[in-house]
Amino acid sequence: NAGVTQTPKFQVLKTGQSMTLQCAQDMNHEYMSWYRQDPGMGLRLIHYSVGAGITDQGEVPNGYNVSRSTTEDFPLRLLSAAPSQTSVYFCASSSTKGGNSPLHFGNGTRLTVT
Amino acid sequence: AQRVTQPEKLLSVFKGAPVELKCNYSYSGSPELFWYVQYSRQRLQLLLRHISRESIKGFTADLNKGETSFHLKKPFAQEEDSAMYYCALRADFNKFYFGSGTKLNVKP
Repeated sequence: NAGVTQTPKFQVLKTGQSMTLQCAQDMNHEYMSWYRQDPGMGLRLIHYSVGAGITDQGEVPNGYNVSRSTTEDFPLRLLSAAPSQTSVYFCASSSTKGGNSPLHFGNGTRLTVT
Repeated sequence: AQRVTQPEKLLSVFKGAPVELKCNYSYSGSPELFWYVQYSRQRLQLLLRHISRESIKGFTADLNKGETSFHLKKPFAQEEDSAMYYCALRADFNKFYFGSGTKLNVKP
């Protein structure tokens, strides 16, 4: 059982480049989300999805796009990378069935934009 | 608005000393609260959830609705407890809100 898998683990981009961070989960979770982790700011929600075909914005959505064509996958796209997007990105999923279901996190992607 | 506050960015204690990591929340509904731990350069892992009322690795946390708090406690800290700890609130149909985190440093 792989849980939540993120690729790549590390990425360096130049300003203006675009890229996609991949996230897949094999737990049949309805809910998936992307966070960025910055020193002193904790985790901030970028985008989330409550099921295939449904996405919504979190706290810091600007500069990022997402799509949810399948239950398993939730890629995060950076359209035109900026140095302010240098961060560690975490994908997380949870079940929406039953109460108190926790978030399960991926290993993270460390992104540097120069 | 939902909010989670962890007032301490860094908490340093000696091995064997008691530890309390503070978490306060703001939420108008019935809260679901969690503690997550992140060891150096690893993924966040669930440590505790309030509904389970369990003790994991010697840590406990009690939900105090009157004080809107969910402090994490351990009577005797160990060096392997050194990590980043995040308090989280689940609200609005599965949106999770995280505090800014507390770095626990347990000195030998």
